[in-house]
Amino acid sequence: GQNIDQPTEMTATEGAIVQINCTYQTSGFNGLFWYQQHAGEAPTFLSYNVLDGLEEKGRFSSFLSRSKGYSYLLLKELQMKDSASYLCAVSPFSGGYNKLIFGAGTRLAVHP
Amino acid sequence: DARVTQTPRHKVTEMGQEVTMRCQPILGHNTVFWYRQTMMQGLELLAYFRNRAPLDDSGMPKDRFSAEMPDATLATLKIQPSEPRDSAVYFCASGLDDGGAYEQYFGPGTRLTVT
Repeated sequence: GQNIDQPTEMTATEGAIVQINCTYQTSGFNGLFWYQQHAGEAPTFLSYNVLDGLEEKGRFSSFLSRSKGYSYLLLKELQMKDSASYLCAVSPFSGGYNKLIFGAGTRLAVHP
Repeated sequence: DARVTQTPRHKVTEMGQEVTMRCQPILGHNTVFWYRQTMMQGLELLAYFRNRAPLDDSGMPKDRFSAEMPDATLATLKIQPSEPRDSAVYFCASGLDDGGAYEQYFGPGTRLTVT
């Protein structure tokens, strides 16, 4: 089966660093994605990992360990506008085509 | 600035009525996805097309939902008859599948309320 777990909610302080974890169990693996979704808006792409290690993109970094079925999204120098839901999604590459299985999302609240 | 567009943005309808949602994928993308998002279930995949051919609609209630791509610039999701439990935000997304995993670009969504 396919299973993706991430915390439901997190809070953090403006200027701080926060790490959002994601664990997954899927039949097949072709990459892990992180999306950001502000309330009432569509998800937007943040990052993509297919190999183990850290991918850095400005204030955001994403880490992947395929052997552990584990990823995290690291947000540095938090800003109020980072308050949003963060969705972890896995591409299982089953059936000869790609699709994304999304986790339930982590709602991050950034406080002054 | 290429974007996925969806119409309508909001739809309120009565139970039993037919609902049609439309999506225009980004020009050049060869995959289209339909998702439904609710507070309880999160983001669920309903249907998936590649090169206009339906590849996966296992997440879609077959008795009332149907998805089509009449041409490369239009994807439709139809509910007939609609029920209150269909109330949700329906997102369309498109992407370019060149053999590996790829980013999906989401449209703004259609917020459906069935009374």
